[in-house]
Order: sequence, then C-alpha cells, then structure tokens
Amino acid sequence: QVQLVESGGGVVQPGRSLRLSCAASEFTFSSYTMHWVRQAPGKGLEWVAVISYDGSNTYFADSVKGRFTISRDNSKNTLFLQMNSLRTEDTAVYFCALPYNSLDAFDIWGQGTMVTVSS
Amino acid sequence: IQLTQSPSFLSASVGDRVTLTCRASQGISSYLAWYQQKPGKAPKLLIYAASTLQSGVPSRFSGSGSGTEFTLTISSLQPEDFATYYCQQLSSYPVTFGPGTKVDIE
Repeated sequence: QVQLVESGGGVVQPGRSLRLSCAASEFTFSSYTMHWVRQAPGKGLEWVAVISYDGSNTYFADSVKGRFTISRDNSKNTLFLQMNSLRTEDTAVYFCALPYNSLDAFDIWGQGTMVTVSS
Repeated sequence: IQLTQSPSFLSASVGDRVTLTCRASQGISSYLAWYQQKPGKAPKLLIYAASTLQSGVPSRFSGSGSGTEFTLTISSLQPEDFATYYCQQLSSYPVTFGPGTKVDIE
C-alpha cells in the first residue's frame, strides 16, 4: 500500500545542519505535492513546507523560511528537508505527508523522525 | 490564517455525543480538515473539505461548517476515540493547524 518512511533524524548542536529524507512507495510519487509537518514534544502540529509535484514551487512556514529547503528526487521517489542553522526550537518529530486521495488534505503520513537540537 | 479550537480539553464518557469547534480568522470556504492523533502516532485524517468523511473512518464522525466556523461531531463516543483532534486549513499557504482539542475519559 501507499507508504512514506522518514529517516535522517538525530541529535544535532544549535547552528548545525541536518537533512531528512522521506522514501515513498506504491504510488506515482512524481505526480503528487508533498509536505513536511512537525510536532515539538508535547505540542501541537506545525506545518513546515510544501513542494509541488515537479519541484517547481515551494512554500515555507515563517518559522523556517530562509533556513530550511525542501526538495525532491522523483527518479528515486524521495522527498528531502534540508535544515540549516538549527535552533533549539526546531526540536520536534518531523513527518512527511501526502494529499493522496482527499483533495488537499493529508491522508497519508509517515511514522515521523525525531530531531533534537541541543548543545 | 489563524485557527482556534474549543474547548481545549473535553472530558466525556463512552456513548456521549461530542461536538468540537474550529474557528478561522478569515473565511476559508470549505478548505478545512480534521485529524485525530493518539500519543506517539502520526495524525489520522477523519474529515476533509469540511464535511467529507475519509474512507474507512466510522460514520459516527461528521463534519460541518463553512466560512469561519466548523464543527466535528462524534455521535457516540467509543473507547478508541479518546485522542487529540486538530483542525487544519488548506485555503492558502501557509497551511495552519488549530491548537487541538484533547478528548479524555470522564
């Protein structure tokens, strides 16, 4: 079935960088917009970024604009989130999410990958 | 676009009818979704386009509203429904989520 699997999380010092990946399977990845959503420990959901099906359009939350980049490799069915200049407030579980069969809503989610920014 | 949810916390019993509210700071037509999240799990889509039940979601869940005020109703609360519920607007970027309503056992 349609599946998303995130990887790349870990512990990183403030100011450093980290790249997250989201491997997609069992659907035509190159046809779908993809999103990243995060959730700080004990907090609510925060949308982070979106990329169009072909990578030509991206949008970011104000909290990450200028520090994070979203990209995709349609030949490898993989979504990326490049996170630079990390801050302690970026500590969260990061989910990739897919509006697959529900208009624009996110009906497919990965399991999440934890990013901890700490000195 | 800011979303507010009420109540923030709700204590209820199995079999209760429960109504959660989501308000948008400006009109978003019907570009609203509802999610259920349990601890340690990814969110699960319940309702999209304000009132369309996602495939596989029990019919005790229903959504209504348009413009700035929306509701999620659970007609008869079941043990597996105790969770946190988030609304989300998809009218414009940045996409935003409400702060959530936690539904707990009374």
